[in-house]
Amino acid sequence: DTEVTQTPKHLVMGMTNKKSLKCEQHMGHRAMYWYKQKAKKPPELMFVYSYEKLSINESVPSRFSPECPNSSLLNLHLHALQPEDSALYLCASSQETGGETQYFGPGTRLLVL
Amino acid sequence: GDSVTQMEGPVTLSEEAFLTINCTYTATGYPSLFWYVQYPGEGLQLLLKATKADDKGSNKGFEATYRKETTSFHLEKGSVQVSDSAVYFCALSPYTGTASKLTFGTGTRLQVTL
Repeated sequence: DTEVTQTPKHLVMGMTNKKSLKCEQHMGHRAMYWYKQKAKKPPELMFVYSYEKLSINESVPSRFSPECPNSSLLNLHLHALQPEDSALYLCASSQETGGETQYFGPGTRLLVL
Repeated sequence: GDSVTQMEGPVTLSEEAFLTINCTYTATGYPSLFWYVQYPGEGLQLLLKATKADDKGSNKGFEATYRKETTSFHLEKGSVQVSDSAVYFCALSPYTGTASKLTFGTGTRLQVTL
């Protein structure tokens, strides 16, 4: 099974709201990722968790706060977002060694009003 | 730093035509190379991969060969179908001993018509 699940599929939020995106995998992967994808662009890496510890933060604004409660779950907490943060947010997971296949979820399409 | 260059799209083909999407890369060491496909409104799906020079990845009639001498990983399919219409991303991931980012090309939109 190579499935990564993400909830919700769609999210509309105001600039003062707090919301969370959730991601889950049961492949035994110890690396999990958040990517942001704008329309007609490739995904851009935001965060990498390795063995439940944050290992890469690509200078993402603090209004995005990741959390990895356990090896199967990854959350992205959103607060005080801007309209330009509207995008498709993709979660991925992989083995931990680098050079490994990253398996992507279907994404959460976020609209910030 | 690492980079991936893909041919610009969109690419428009008739059904049963031959497809080539060019991809070249710049990286230190010997990265793994991937093709991902994204159908409208969906996430990315792994199409195929290759982990070392001269490896050929294949899936669903698509093929790509890891060419170290030309730093290329061109995607080919002998006969495309309307259902192949999607955006195709070439990507690389370095061997670092730890989880690392995928570096993507800009993506190539393929439109297949009857």
